[in-house]
Amino acid sequence: DSGVTQTPKHLITATGQRVTLRCSPRSGDLSVYWYQQSLDQGLQFLIQYYNGEERAKGNILERFSAQQFPDLHSELNLSSLELGDSALYFCASSVVIAPENGELFFGEGSRLTVL
Amino acid sequence: DAKTTQPNSMESNEEEPVHLPCNHSTISGTDYIHWYRQLPSQGPEYVIHGLTSNVNNRMASLAIAEDRKSSTLILHRATLRDAAVYYCILRRMGDKIIFGKGTRLHILP
Repeated sequence: DSGVTQTPKHLITATGQRVTLRCSPRSGDLSVYWYQQSLDQGLQFLIQYYNGEERAKGNILERFSAQQFPDLHSELNLSSLELGDSALYFCASSVVIAPENGELFFGEGSRLTVL
Repeated sequence: DAKTTQPNSMESNEEEPVHLPCNHSTISGTDYIHWYRQLPSQGPEYVIHGLTSNVNNRMASLAIAEDRKSSTLILHRATLRDAAVYYCILRRMGDKIIFGKGTRLHILP
């Protein structure tokens, strides 16, 4: 158990809908990262927050947005869903963002299926 | 984003050592080399990291070439539970953490 909690574990929805994925980082971790993993694309970095502020952005679509709240939990909002958005969405956290000791702890992921 | 190159897949026999290579010829002096692995149906998990010197921990060893342009993750005695995708990543301050396709390690009983 990494200490990172993601909900829901599974989600099935229809095209055009909107969903929210939630991530609770490990206690004390200030940094949250979101990744998308689909079968043919591997792990794609979406966005990173540190203590409530956006720190880095990857290939995140405009239909997607995220935020980190004062209690440090984070939400990833996916709207106008398309079939291609079906994927595993992982959240990771770390206490700091320094590369020498910023080990990432990943949650078990939220599996999104868009029909 | 700093790039790494890994073989797509490797096979090893159970209870034998495994050497997983990673090339990072464009590494800069401040890049740390990190390894993660992803077991089936799980999120990635941290394995080990280093800067210049070889590193050991309870999971694995990391051997870093003198010029730092390559590194090798060593699993000393592979078990079936080590079958996973192994990612080699370069991390530098302020940069995005990018995972490549990794190496899929198959362990033969």
